[in-house]
This record gives sequence, structure tokens and C-alpha cells, in this order.
Amino acid sequence: EAQVTQNPRYLITVTGKKLTVTCSQNMNHEYMSWYRQDPGLGLRQIYYSMNVEVTDKGDVPEGYKVSRKEKRNFPLILESPSPNQTSLYFCASSLYPDTQYFGPGTRLTVL
Amino acid sequence: KQEVTQIPAALSVPEGENLVLNCSFTDSAIYNLQWFRQDPGKGLTSLLLIQSSQREQTSGRLNASLDKSSGRSTLYIAASQPGDSATYLCAVSAGTYKYIFGTGTRLKVLA
Repeated sequence: EAQVTQNPRYLITVTGKKLTVTCSQNMNHEYMSWYRQDPGLGLRQIYYSMNVEVTDKGDVPEGYKVSRKEKRNFPLILESPSPNQTSLYFCASSLYPDTQYFGPGTRLTVL
Repeated sequence: KQEVTQIPAALSVPEGENLVLNCSFTDSAIYNLQWFRQDPGKGLTSLLLIQSSQREQTSGRLNASLDKSSGRSTLYIAASQPGDSATYLCAVSAGTYKYIFGTGTRLKVLA
């Protein structure tokens, strides 16, 4: 089954404790992207990757890091999480500029 | 800077009605526009993708149109059903691998 998977689905952590949210797709897509969704602000793009080893900033990259060492994986790294990074995070992939396919989301709470 | 607006923010209709959801964008230089559905607590499901060279796309009871010159897209849902209740989001791509989302229209179809 073609899908985008994210782990963990739910995470509660404390300020400053480094964490990684994984994203994996099995559709051989070159393009992958991370978004955060906040009430009243909609989805905002954090980082995207056009292919292996090629990444660029979206609209809200501050406080996040990404890497793309393999085509199927695109992890999101929060080196020192803060409470304002509490959000619902989505990973997506596509054969740009075709349809984006989204993962189920990761709900992150930073205390 | 591209901005995407969806009005109304919420809509409630009786079952069986035909309805139109609106999406406006400020910069007509888009690559494509995509409509998504999001159920509470779930990820996004792609409904329709319209490339900039296209005027409309249809899938079942859904029809999406695109008018780049006026910066507008509409999603038409025919014969609405309670199962159509969800939040509907539109997103535009400016061809730079970036996506800008609207904040969505929350639709409730009453049985």
C-alpha cells in the first residue's frame, strides 16, 4: 500500500530535550515536505526537499533541522524544543508538482 | 508574498444541497492548486489537483475550477451528504517547490 508514515504519532516532551520525528514514504517520490498546523494559522511549510541531499527552508524553519540522506526518509529534528513548537506536524511527499500525499500527523506537546 | 484565503471559515448545510467552497490567492503566478479534505484528528486527503494550464477538474460529485486571472478557485460539491462533513483546504504552489495553504472551510452537512 502506497503511504507516508510518521513516528511517533504522539509525543510529550520537555523544553530543551532534543527529539526527532521520522517520516518515510514508499512511493519513490523525489519531493518531501514538513508542515505544522496550528489553530487559526492553517498549515505552514517548515522545510522541503527536492531530492536526496537537497533541502530548503519553507516559511517557518526557525528551530527545526532536516536531512535527506535517503530518498524514502525525511526526518524532522528539533534540537532544543520550546513550548511554541507545540503543534500538529505533517509530512508529505509527491512527484512534484503532482498530488501531495500526507502522513497521519504527529501531535507534539513541549512542556 | 502569496496569501491564500478561504471564505467562509465554517458552513452548515442540510443534506442534499449543492454547495460551493471558495479559495482566493493574491499572486496569479501559480503552478498548480490542490484541494484537500481533512477529517478531525486525521491527515489530509487529496481531492483534486488543477494545473495552471487547466480550468477545471472533476471527480465524482466534486468539481474544482481555477481562474488564475482573478485569483480564485471554487470547489463544487453536488448533492452533499453527512459523510462530506470535514474541513476543506486549498493549497497553491508557486513553482518554487513551496506550498501555501488556506486556513480551510469547516463544512457540516446535516442529516
